[in-house]
Amino acid sequence: ETGVTQTPRHLVMGMTNKKSLKCEQHLGHNAMYWYKQSAKKPLELMFVYNFKEQTENNSVPSRFSPECPNSSHLFLHLHTLQPEDSALYLCASSQALAGYYEQYFGPGTRLTVT
Amino acid sequence: AQTVTQSQPEMSVQEAETVTLSCTYDTSESDYYLFWYKQPPSRQMILVIRQEAYKQQNATENRFSVNFQKAAKSFSLKISDSQLGDAAMYFCAYRSASPTSGTYKYIFGTGTRLKVLA
Repeated sequence: ETGVTQTPRHLVMGMTNKKSLKCEQHLGHNAMYWYKQSAKKPLELMFVYNFKEQTENNSVPSRFSPECPNSSHLFLHLHTLQPEDSALYLCASSQALAGYYEQYFGPGTRLTVT
Repeated sequence: AQTVTQSQPEMSVQEAETVTLSCTYDTSESDYYLFWYKQPPSRQMILVIRQEAYKQQNATENRFSVNFQKAAKSFSLKISDSQLGDAAMYFCAYRSASPTSGTYKYIFGTGTRLKVLA
């Protein structure tokens, strides 16, 4: 596997379910990000991890719980979600060092909350 | 806080023609980076082109070029000789040159959907 991978690609869950999204990067990066992408809205930054430490929580509801066990893996644990949480969830990584610039994105998980 | 605005929700271009996508941003910083990302339907978002604010020369990557106007805070993307594979959502993004809490934050626009007509 190369680049940034995400599983599952599609997820349908009820409001009372608990599920997790997984992201893995094979680029040797030290920063990982979760974004929420909804139609006609800018990408919403949710969480940022740098060297496994959370450095950003963009006022995300507690029903979303991130976990970063190491610099290569990032999880998003979901519970008691609402229908408005249905969206494409994107994971990205970057090298948080001077001289490195862009983010690399995974294919996303299309989440539908019923 | 920085903001990025893409005022064109959707654009169309005839195959082999040229199209320009607009992006404006607001910042009080003097040093930063600007990006255009492409997100094809149901496919991964990929970097198209990058511009460093300290460089006066506009970046180019094959058929893709930018018109960077720092004073006007404008960063448009020109696609020449458009191809069917160029059809996608295009996002403009901003990143500060200096990290916050050791991390770089990226600010994205709402995107422009580009349709390429055969």
